[in-house]
Amino acid sequence: EAGVAQSPRYKIIEKRQSVAFWCNPISGHATLYWYQQILGQGPKLLIQFQNNGVVDDSQLPKDRFSAERLKGVDSTLKIQPAKLEDSAVYLCASSSGLSPAGELFFGEGSRLTVL
Amino acid sequence: QKEVEQNSGPLSVPEGAIASLNCTYSDRVSQSFFWYRQYSGKSPELIMSIYSNGDKEDGRFTAQLNKASQYVSLLIRDSQPSDSATYLCAVKEIGGFKTIFGAGTRLFVKA
Repeated sequence: EAGVAQSPRYKIIEKRQSVAFWCNPISGHATLYWYQQILGQGPKLLIQFQNNGVVDDSQLPKDRFSAERLKGVDSTLKIQPAKLEDSAVYLCASSSGLSPAGELFFGEGSRLTVL
Repeated sequence: QKEVEQNSGPLSVPEGAIASLNCTYSDRVSQSFFWYRQYSGKSPELIMSIYSNGDKEDGRFTAQLNKASQYVSLLIRDSQPSDSATYLCAVKEIGGFKTIFGAGTRLFVKA
């Protein structure tokens, strides 16, 4: 079974530029998550989708971050314009609705450096 | 806002010893508890989940849950250098949506 796919793995941009990250979850997983992990901290939930609907985006900085999950499969997270404090690893995770406990399966992450 | 607290460490133990990692959470409705291991530069991977009070054992790993004290722990027996990683505690409500992570505890196992 293929895991969660993310791209790009690494991205370096100047502040005020834009960037987009892509995620393809495990086949059949209805729930998709985007987490931000700053160095030395735990993952922080940015947005959670159930199929193609948003379940929670309370911690998404909506003035600069946006995310979509068209057709309920893959997802894109965009940052525009980027700030220095956005430097982090952006982790995509998915989970199956069949699991009552909701274990998360993570992709390899996209490491963003904002200069 | 639910909070998950962990000692950031680092926790250093000799090879073969028992490593004890602790986690407290603020919300009494939390029902599912997880321990994820994260190697440096890698993504978190699930190593244990626990839902009921008491102990749950899986190989060298034992998760312990005490809901009354809002406390969950992870014991690693016969620690190996390959266990050196950051261990993330995570909590989720049954039927809820968010999985909230702690900041993680860095573990070093000395050969």
